[in-house]
Formats: sequence, structure tokens, C-alpha cells
Amino acid sequence: RKEVEQDPGPFNVPEGATVAFNCTYSNSASQSFFWYRQDCRKEPKLLMSVYSSGNEDGRFTAQLNRASQYISLLIRDSKLSDSATYLCVAFSGNNRKLIWGLGTSLAVNP
Amino acid sequence: DAGVTQSPTHLIKTRGQQVTLRCSPKSGHDTVSWYQQALGQGPQFIFQYYEEEERQRGNFPDRFSGHQFPNYSSELNVNALLLGDSALYLCASSLGTGGNSPLHFGNGTRLTVT
Repeated sequence: RKEVEQDPGPFNVPEGATVAFNCTYSNSASQSFFWYRQDCRKEPKLLMSVYSSGNEDGRFTAQLNRASQYISLLIRDSKLSDSATYLCVAFSGNNRKLIWGLGTSLAVNP
Repeated sequence: DAGVTQSPTHLIKTRGQQVTLRCSPKSGHDTVSWYQQALGQGPQFIFQYYEEEERQRGNFPDRFSGHQFPNYSSELNVNALLLGDSALYLCASSLGTGGNSPLHFGNGTRLTVT
């Protein structure tokens, strides 16, 4: 089992839809989490950091469930510009490593 | 406030050659990490430099080496290139090695090995 797992998708949603991705992690010592978005052939860009139960930034909400060891990303009122790959990252305090998921692909359609 | 800069943006090499990629971290950052990303895959951690020393290393062979300079900039060297080394090489900077500091990425160097 991969340390950080994501559904690769692709998720195809219409503009204005609400979409949610889950990311599961296997290391219970993971302390903090990040969501990055990556456009095709571009570098990853930080979308959101999650250090406690969750975080919200405009249309984006991240929620952390430590008991079930997953973190979710919710996107409300999807825009065409949200089309990208969303990468989940977990930081483990015991080995001080960042573990990356393979990403979830989102396509928002007009 | 300059972000992370990488050079060159594109590079074509032949098998067996050696390559050096360069990275300048975001202003105020002291830690540089290097990643390899193949098409359709997530970034794979190569190594991290802090205080001019390699602090962590991923599962990459010794052909991959690096260096960090006193001004925090860094180089990634790859010897004896293989076709499988073709990928996007990403440099990311952060403040400290704690892992709680988010990574800021450069635009990457796209390496093609023929």
C-alpha cells in the first residue's frame, strides 16, 4: 500500500459544481498536510496547508480526519481554471519526510 | 521578491553524458529540495540540502549528487545519464527542514535523454 494514496480520476465536472477529493495516508505519525495544484507541464503550486482539523480559503476547504487517516479537498462553484492535477502531501514528524501522492486529475467543463 | 528560479528550462543530452541543473531559492529560504517528476507521476524526492549539507535522500542512485552554496543556491548533478532519467526536475525551497514549511517550486528543468 502506498503511503499516500489518491484517486487518480479524472474527475469531469461541469462549471459551478462542487467536487471533493480524498487522500488517504498510512503513517499515523503524519503531522501536517498540504494540497498542491499542478497545471499540465508546470510546477506544483501550494493551494492549502493543513495543520489541524482543516482549513478554508474561499471556494476551497480541506478537512483532516485523523481517526480515519484521510484528508479531503472540497472545491465549491468550480471554475474552468480549476482544471488541474491536485497533489496531496503528508509530512511525517517521525522520519521528517514529505510523502507525495500521485495526484487527482480534475477537468471542469463548460 | 524573487521566487525560485531554475536553469536551464530545457536540456537535451545523450546517454552516458553528465548534466548540471541549477536552482536559486526564494528570498529568505535556506533549504533546497530536488524532485524528479516523470510524465503522469507525482514528484519523487531526490534529496534535500540545508546548511550546505545533504540532509535527506530519496531512493536515487549515487549518479545523482548535489551541492548547496553559501548563498543557499543549489546544483543537481546527474552522471552517466540513462534514457529513464528523462523527466521534469523540480527545485523547491523552504525555510528550515522541519517539513511544516510549505515548499515553493521553481518552473523546473525539462531534461530529455536520447
